[in-house]
Amino acid sequence: AQSVTQLGSHVSVSEGALVLLRCNYSSSVPPYLFWYVQYPNQGLQLLLKYTTGATLVKGINGFEAEFKKSETSFHLTKPSAHMSDAAEYFCAVIKSGGGADGLTFGKGTHLIIQP
Amino acid sequence: DTGVSQDPRHKITKRGQNVTFRCDPISEHNRLYWYRQTLGQGPEFLTYFQNEAQLEKSRLLSDRFSAERPKGSFSTLEIQRTEQGDSAMYLCASSPTTGGAFFGQGTRLTVV
Repeated sequence: AQSVTQLGSHVSVSEGALVLLRCNYSSSVPPYLFWYVQYPNQGLQLLLKYTTGATLVKGINGFEAEFKKSETSFHLTKPSAHMSDAAEYFCAVIKSGGGADGLTFGKGTHLIIQP
Repeated sequence: DTGVSQDPRHKITKRGQNVTFRCDPISEHNRLYWYRQTLGQGPEFLTYFQNEAQLEKSRLLSDRFSAERPKGSFSTLEIQRTEQGDSAMYLCASSPTTGGAFFGQGTRLTVV
């Protein structure tokens, strides 16, 4: 079974500062890893994903994440925060090949951008 | 718009009533998932279809819940005899063969 832990239910950064959202996972088989963003009363939008190959993946809106197998981590970063980045962010894992039990999500991190 | 669409976006119903939600996935995606999300939580898996076959159901899916995907295209999720605890956002997602589910905007259900 897979699980995801997102450290920090709320993260606050100043506009222009580095964004770092932490995600650790556990999986009995090689995982596929994802970050999603959710704005209020909206569905989830895929930011980026890691399946195979390069461990540093780049996504939309300037976000990137690095898969570190030794640390079982997939932290999300953005060099310079923008006010429009304020949202809920979810890390998710699925068994490689796409499991029938779907994505397992973390509880989410609410990103607050201070002007 | 070629994304995943869900209808309705919002539904308010009285306790004990039945409700049905619809999901239209991205046309070339053969996998379809239903998730439920309550306030302050991440989405929780409910059920999964590959084409028209329902291959997995979560223990969260009580016998009051039923999902169908009759022709391997759109899907419906029905909740019978709704309870206040059913109030949540119901999310549909579709994906190609491997990885990267694309989500719809969700249907927010409020049971009063």
